[in-house]
Amino acid sequence: LAKTTQPISMDSYEGQEVNITCSHNNIATNDYITWYQQFPSQGPRFIIQGYKTKVTNEVASLFIPADRKSSTLSLPRVSLSDTAVYYCLVGENYGQNFVFGPGTRLSVLP
Amino acid sequence: GAGVSQSPRYKVAKRGQDVALRCDPISGHVSLFWYQQALGQGPEFLTYFQNEAQLDKSGLPSDRFFAERPEGSVSTLKIQRTQQEDSAVYLCASSLAGGRMNTEAFFGQGTRLTVV
Repeated sequence: LAKTTQPISMDSYEGQEVNITCSHNNIATNDYITWYQQFPSQGPRFIIQGYKTKVTNEVASLFIPADRKSSTLSLPRVSLSDTAVYYCLVGENYGQNFVFGPGTRLSVLP
Repeated sequence: GAGVSQSPRYKVAKRGQDVALRCDPISGHVSLFWYQQALGQGPEFLTYFQNEAQLDKSGLPSDRFFAERPEGSVSTLKIQRTQQEDSAVYLCASSLAGGRMNTEAFFGQGTRLTVV
């Protein structure tokens, strides 16, 4: 399983765009990149998944360069409710034997 | 139900006591996963079921941990002779497909186990 590295914590202010970068140097050909969000006292929640280039949904965008050794989760115009831990995962499918790691704790300030 | 349901939400056990944690996955979901999450850490994989078959139990920390899903729906995680290091949140997740298909995993709110 590919190991991921992401910042332990980030601070931002309401209305700003937040970019969280994840490194996964030994990503395999069949691996997808998936991001989950976790609020306190809740289970993780799927945000977005991609394989290459750019993926966008109603919540976030995911940018993946050609070499796929890193990826960036972009949250547009964050609000206080986006304060959470964000996990970057790499693997062949969504859930089997995922390695979550410590994630990035995002704090959105007023 | 609308989502993955876990019970109880909170469990306090005396050291040495056996506990059973229940997970009701989303109806029709083939895959079911159990994770353990210590305070301040990310979830760690415990075991994976595809229908009633336990295909991966490599994450179970010891033989005191046992999971089952006898009819391919509800699952129970049992911990025998609980120890303080078992204190954690136990998360259950389910996904629609099995095998190597890419489908989103839905997590329950977890059961917080405290061993005293």
